[in-house]
Amino acid sequence: DTEVTQTPKHLVMGMTNKKSLKCEQHMGHRAMYWYKQKAKKPPELMFVYSYEKLSINESVPSRFSPECPNSSLLNLHLHALQPEDSALYLCASRGSSYNSPLHFGNGTRLTVT
Amino acid sequence: DQQVKQNSPSLSVQEGRISILNCDYTNSMFDYFLWYKKYPAEGPTFLISISSIKDKNEDGRFTVFLNKSAKHLSLHIVPSQPGDSAVYFCAAGWDGGTASKLTFGTGTRLQVTL
Repeated sequence: DTEVTQTPKHLVMGMTNKKSLKCEQHMGHRAMYWYKQKAKKPPELMFVYSYEKLSINESVPSRFSPECPNSSLLNLHLHALQPEDSALYLCASRGSSYNSPLHFGNGTRLTVT
Repeated sequence: DQQVKQNSPSLSVQEGRISILNCDYTNSMFDYFLWYKKYPAEGPTFLISISSIKDKNEDGRFTVFLNKSAKHLSLHIVPSQPGDSAVYFCAAGWDGGTASKLTFGTGTRLQVTL
């Protein structure tokens, strides 16, 4: 079982909808990440939160809005998405030890219609 | 600009034999490297990592080799098992504290046949 939990597992939304993806970890990690993965492609970094502050935004369009309410939770708010935003959205967390690996959740499979 | 490359999109190996997955990188700033395994409909699972100060790290059936001068790393799986069939991603990063980020390769699909 993964220690990073993502909900929902699947989401279908229209281009005018507003929805949110949720991620939770209880490993005490202080860095949390959003990645996007399209079919047959590697995961691409979107955002990094460190100690609940946004530290990296990889020039992601504003229709994606991240939020880190506390050290265990990470949200990704979605609004006015395009069909090309359909992908697997992966949340990950990382400990503060040197060279700690990322621990991923199982992702949310998003389809924009 | 693909800084981490896996040039073999797929690999087929017989059960019990060695699987060798390769990865090349271009950024000299990378100081640690990881391998992840991914099954369909699941997130990537961490397998093994190596720091740039080492040239080999072993964990059970998995061994990662790093050749810094060639900017090349490889993952050896011995013996290969059917359950190893998955997509394998190499990843590289440098340790900037908790805000470190990883860059992933394009993945190699390993199929272990009976």
